[in-house]
Amino acid sequence: SAVISQKPSRDICQRGTSLTIQCQVDSQVTMMFWYRQQPGQSLTLIATANQGSEATYESGFVIDKFPISRPNLTFSTLTVSNMSPEDSSIYLCSVEKSSYEQYFGPGTRLTVT
Amino acid sequence: QQQVKQSPQSLIVQKGGISIINCAYENTAFDYFPWYQQFPGKGPALLIAIRPDVSEKKEGRFTISFNKSAKQFSLHIMDSQPGDSATYFCAANRKNEKLTFGTGTRLTIIP
Repeated sequence: SAVISQKPSRDICQRGTSLTIQCQVDSQVTMMFWYRQQPGQSLTLIATANQGSEATYESGFVIDKFPISRPNLTFSTLTVSNMSPEDSSIYLCSVEKSSYEQYFGPGTRLTVT
Repeated sequence: QQQVKQSPQSLIVQKGGISIINCAYENTAFDYFPWYQQFPGKGPALLIAIRPDVSEKKEGRFTISFNKSAKQFSLHIMDSQPGDSATYFCAANRKNEKLTFGTGTRLTIIP
């Protein structure tokens, strides 16, 4: 398995500001992912964070809105830029181990007012 | 082709009963089928997973049944307990590719 931490665990932000979420894993991993989960809903993949190259974004998500950094094999950040109330959600990072198994962090609960 | 359909949306089971959640997939290239358990305010936790070369996998009270020809798989929770009350997500993927999640099932175990 993997031990994953996220910071902050929750935040309340004002419209128009940006928030950077950190994800730290206890061992080196190749694949890291960022998901969004609306309350009571399933998980939606935002992007795959690639070490040493640009992130790969899913349809409907763009780099200007959700810039991602992956400076090494144990750490990644997701920034939610120019926030609006529609960005209120839970943001989750996950890591892949052994080519299949994915493990999730505890999530960051974001409220935009 | 990438969809995973999950049912029911919600489920209420009495303590000690069997909880059954079903999923169906379309993409025959999928070769890994995990189930995740999520408690309120927590991230999803990998519960149990199966590869298509077996028809059943059991871990404690949790069993996955897999029907490759029907493209269906299900989670069975035996002797369901109040602590099993959570949201369960099925998923599917191929090696080194993203997970495709089902819509989730909110399970409530009543005394």
